[in-house]
Amino acid sequence: QVQLQESGPGLVKPSETLSLTCTVSGASINTYYWNWIRQPPGKGLEWIGVTHYSGTTNYNPSLKSRVTISLDMSKSQLSLKLISVSAADTAVYYCAANGDYWGQGTLVTVSS
Amino acid sequence: EIVLTQSPGTLSLSPGERGTLFCRASQSVSNNYLSWYQQKPGQAPRLLIYAASTRATGIPDRFSGSGSGTDFTLTISRLEPEDFAVYYCQQYGSLPCTFGQGTKLDIK
Repeated sequence: QVQLQESGPGLVKPSETLSLTCTVSGASINTYYWNWIRQPPGKGLEWIGVTHYSGTTNYNPSLKSRVTISLDMSKSQLSLKLISVSAADTAVYYCAANGDYWGQGTLVTVSS
Repeated sequence: EIVLTQSPGTLSLSPGERGTLFCRASQSVSNNYLSWYQQKPGQAPRLLIYAASTRATGIPDRFSGSGSGTDFTLTISRLEPEDFAVYYCQQYGSLPCTFGQGTKLDIK
């Protein structure tokens, strides 16, 4: 059974860096495309980016200058870093394997 | 980027009725790589349909997807109480992947 679990700070200060980890179990990292998606409270879904073990990585142009997604195959983990955050980055952040499997999501609030 | 517009914004129906949800793309979706998701409050989205018309594993056959090019439809043949939720379409044929704004299906 494929399971994904996001983890990281729930509160980040404006202008600082948001860092999240997604731990994968029940699947090999080289099986899927690994996505990060976010959802501001009460709003719709926004695709952040995708990575693959082959090295291919693509980002949403609206976030590209601030975001980095990477894989740690030895730990079966996917990571997200978003720099220079503002209140507009407050959202539930999800990791997903293709679109098939999703983590439960983690709420990150940007506030001083 | 491809903009997806879902309609209606809200659909009010009763259990047992048929629900039809629409997703229109601003340009043709490559390979008809369009998915439908269901999301309930406090939960992650659940994949229902991929490649426009293929049901994901474990999805009841009352859910069906159709369409091609720029116009896609999700049909729920007979609504069950657990089907009342928000539904999103997503295209993954062109980068960046994009989502529609969602259709809320609520109980009449």
